[in-house]
Amino acid sequence: GDSVTQMEGPVTLSEEAFLTINCTYTATGYPSLFWYVQYPGEGLQLLLKATKADDKGSNKGFEATYRKETTSFHLEKGSVQVSDSAVYFCALSDLVFSGGYNKLIFGAGTRLAVHP
Amino acid sequence: GAGVSQSPSNKVTEKGKDVELRCDPISGHTALYWYRQRLGQGLEFLIYFQGNSAPDKSGLPSDRFSAERTGESVSTLTIQRTQQEDSAVYLCASSLDGNTEAFFGQGTRLTVV
Repeated sequence: GDSVTQMEGPVTLSEEAFLTINCTYTATGYPSLFWYVQYPGEGLQLLLKATKADDKGSNKGFEATYRKETTSFHLEKGSVQVSDSAVYFCALSDLVFSGGYNKLIFGAGTRLAVHP
Repeated sequence: GAGVSQSPSNKVTEKGKDVELRCDPISGHTALYWYRQRLGQGLEFLIYFQGNSAPDKSGLPSDRFSAERTGESVSTLTIQRTQQEDSAVYLCASSLDGNTEAFFGQGTRLTVV
């Protein structure tokens, strides 16, 4: 079945450091790919998405490129801030053909802590 | 409403009791999902509603878990005879039609003691 694997955390960085959080997926169809973020005490929010191969999603300085050949969707940011401290979830949305709807499958989440 | 609303935000219950968790999706969203997030783990899919029907219940962990949706709006997740392993954050999400972005509520933190 479909699955998402992302790097284990916690990831601890100093402010202005470069961030990469790895995410790979397994899917039977042609999924859309997402990064969700969960800030402390808040609900999950969509950070960025890509709907087809080679698409790049970007938001708030974060980027991720849909790589079909490596089945990856790694999250990157050139210069992190303390306010980026959160848990980041990689997810895929794959069509359930029998039902005609999309099922969201999540990775385990990666906690990022950014220190001044 | 403006966003997905879940209630209660926190629930502490004794082992063996039944609990009901409520989700109010965004108005007009026909698709509704329930997920469970155990401490330090990812989101585990429980059930999907399209309108008032549940074409995918594959994630419900046991027959103690059930869910319903009425009026293509509010959904209730019921856990009967709660066990300690049911302790988790239960998240609800809705989307316009099941093929677009899902919006999440803030979750209900359930603690079974």
